[in-house]
Amino acid sequence: DVKVTQSSRYLVKRTGEKVFLECVQDMDHENMFWYRQDPGLGLRLIYFSYDVKMKEKGDIPEGYSVSREKKERFSLILESASTNQTSMYLCASSQRDRANYGYTFGSGTRLTVV
Amino acid sequence: QKEVEQDPGPLSVPEGAIVSLNCTYSNSAFQYFMWYRQYSRKGPELLMYTYSSGNKEDGRFTAQVDKSSKYISLFIRDSQPSDSATYLCAMSQGGTSYDKVIFGPGTSLSVIP
Repeated sequence: DVKVTQSSRYLVKRTGEKVFLECVQDMDHENMFWYRQDPGLGLRLIYFSYDVKMKEKGDIPEGYSVSREKKERFSLILESASTNQTSMYLCASSQRDRANYGYTFGSGTRLTVV
Repeated sequence: QKEVEQDPGPLSVPEGAIVSLNCTYSNSAFQYFMWYRQYSRKGPELLMYTYSSGNKEDGRFTAQVDKSSKYISLFIRDSQPSDSATYLCAMSQGGTSYDKVIFGPGTSLSVIP
């Protein structure tokens, strides 16, 4: 069964901590994405990557960075966690030619910053 | 005005009912239209996608796109308790290897046995 795996389901971090969220896919997908999901706001794109070592800013990149050193792994980094970054974080991947309609999502990481 | 709007619900229906879930959008350049289903504490999963206008059927699910009205719908026939989830519409312009996909905020559906 193909999947996108996010390393943690629940995380609690303190304000100011550096936080790493890890995502691994086993489908050999070129594209990988990080979204956050908040009630009433839907999914908002933070960063995406269409190839190893490539990254592009999404709609809300402030306070975040990403790393893609290997094709299967895409990491989201919160440089200095703040309470307004409390959210559900979703990783997704897609084949290059199905970028418009073929996302596979992970189960999400619910991050609470206190 | 948001780019994609969706009635947030919650929507509660009896088992066996026909469910209509709807989205409106403002960008006439959208060409790809998708519906995702998200169960509680899970990530969204792709249900169906359509290109341009028209209908697409898959079992109990029918996706309908009306580009002239900038309106898309997902119909669920003979709804089941297992259909209880949040449904997200999504759309994009297409035409490049990556094109930004815009998601609606989701409609929460409960199917009561």
